[in-house]
Amino acid sequence: DGGITQSPKYLFRKEGQNVTLSCEQNLNHDAMYWYRQDPGQGLRLIYYSQIVNDFQKGDIAEGYSVSREKKESFPLTVTSAQKNPTAFYLCASRLDFLVTEAFFGQGTRLTVV
Amino acid sequence: GENVEQHPSTLSVQEGDSAVIKCTYSDSASNYFPWYKQELGKGPQLIIDIRSNVGEKKDQRIAVTLNKTAKHFSLHITETQPEDSAVYFCAASSTYNQGGKLIFGQGTELSVKP
Repeated sequence: DGGITQSPKYLFRKEGQNVTLSCEQNLNHDAMYWYRQDPGQGLRLIYYSQIVNDFQKGDIAEGYSVSREKKESFPLTVTSAQKNPTAFYLCASRLDFLVTEAFFGQGTRLTVV
Repeated sequence: GENVEQHPSTLSVQEGDSAVIKCTYSDSASNYFPWYKQELGKGPQLIIDIRSNVGEKKDQRIAVTLNKTAKHFSLHITETQPEDSAVYFCAASSTYNQGGKLIFGQGTELSVKP
């Protein structure tokens, strides 16, 4: 089955640690996105990538980093510089950045302990 | 910057009634308007979308209308069922803006009472 897979589903991080969230898609999509969701709020864009080996900052990129070495993979690292990392993180992909449907993964819930 | 306003934030209806959720957007270059349904602890799923060259689109009990002049679009759900209960998000994007990023509204929590 084609789709977009995020792992892990739940992640706990100690203060001062970096953690990496995985996002893999087998839809052959060029564009990939990372969003952050806080309770009662909409989704806010962290980073996006329109093509392999290229990515751009979104609206709330501070404290996060990404890479896009393969078309199917777009991992997100939450660094210790992110002061309030506890949130629900969603990865999405689209065939391209034109008027096409975005498919979302099932999300990773990150909690700082 | 660009933003999308969504109302109401919560909506409670009786089973069988209709539900309407409204969104307004600020970027006049927006040309794609999807609606997503999100169940608790899961990722959003597309339920319907509309492009800027169309004024209305319908898919069974769900319909979306777009008024480009007024920069607003609405989701209409008829004959609501308990399984329609979820959080609904509208979004807008422009091909020419930041990689076609989707800008989301704040969400509407819909509750359908049996």
